[in-house]
Amino acid sequence: DAKTTQPPSMDCAEGRAANLPCNHSTISGNEYVYWYRQIHSQGPQYIIHGLKNNETNEMASLIITEDRKSSTLILPHATLRDTAVYYCIVRPSGGGADGLTFGKGTHLIIQP
Amino acid sequence: DTAVSQTPKYLVTQMGNDKSIKCEQNLGHDTMYWYKQDSKKFLKIMFSYNNKELIINETVPNRFSPKSPDKAHLNLHINSLELGDSAVYFCASSRWPQATNEKLFFGSGTQLSVL
Repeated sequence: DAKTTQPPSMDCAEGRAANLPCNHSTISGNEYVYWYRQIHSQGPQYIIHGLKNNETNEMASLIITEDRKSSTLILPHATLRDTAVYYCIVRPSGGGADGLTFGKGTHLIIQP
Repeated sequence: DTAVSQTPKYLVTQMGNDKSIKCEQNLGHDTMYWYKQDSKKFLKIMFSYNNKELIINETVPNRFSPKSPDKAHLNLHINSLELGDSAVYFCASSRWPQATNEKLFFGSGTQLSVL
């Protein structure tokens, strides 16, 4: 029973904004939305997380719909180094040491 | 000054051998994990430790034995290696408790090939 649904792959032109959608229609009130990415041959890397407000950091922006049933990760100016698998994960706060459950993610390919 | 470092990066060995993968973190975190990424690229948690104590032990054969000599280290020992153990193994760490800041820091992985 997947908690999140993401498209398996997406393309984006270099320099453009990459918008990665995530569906989490069964999200609970205390669950946060987290995004990680895994560049080829590397370990996953934290990007951003949020509860209900939109969030922005130096890497990306996270837009969460008002009903919290979906969200979009935005990479404002994609570069070739942003080619990676992006994982959207929902998890309650204070979830303890059971780590994160990774789904299949979206393979984002940045085209030159 | 790598935050989470694991060695070796590559490990090629024969079936039936025993091998270990080492992991160290210099972030001052209390919780460490082992994840396995198989050939289909699914990333699954195997173990988690908090302050040297085992917290999570997913359905993993008992040939896999994690050891945490101190909270900065979590090593993974595998006995009687099988072909199906071939995968990339990632170590990770985080603070405890993981309140609203679910940041796991991952190592760069150990690619294990069992021949």
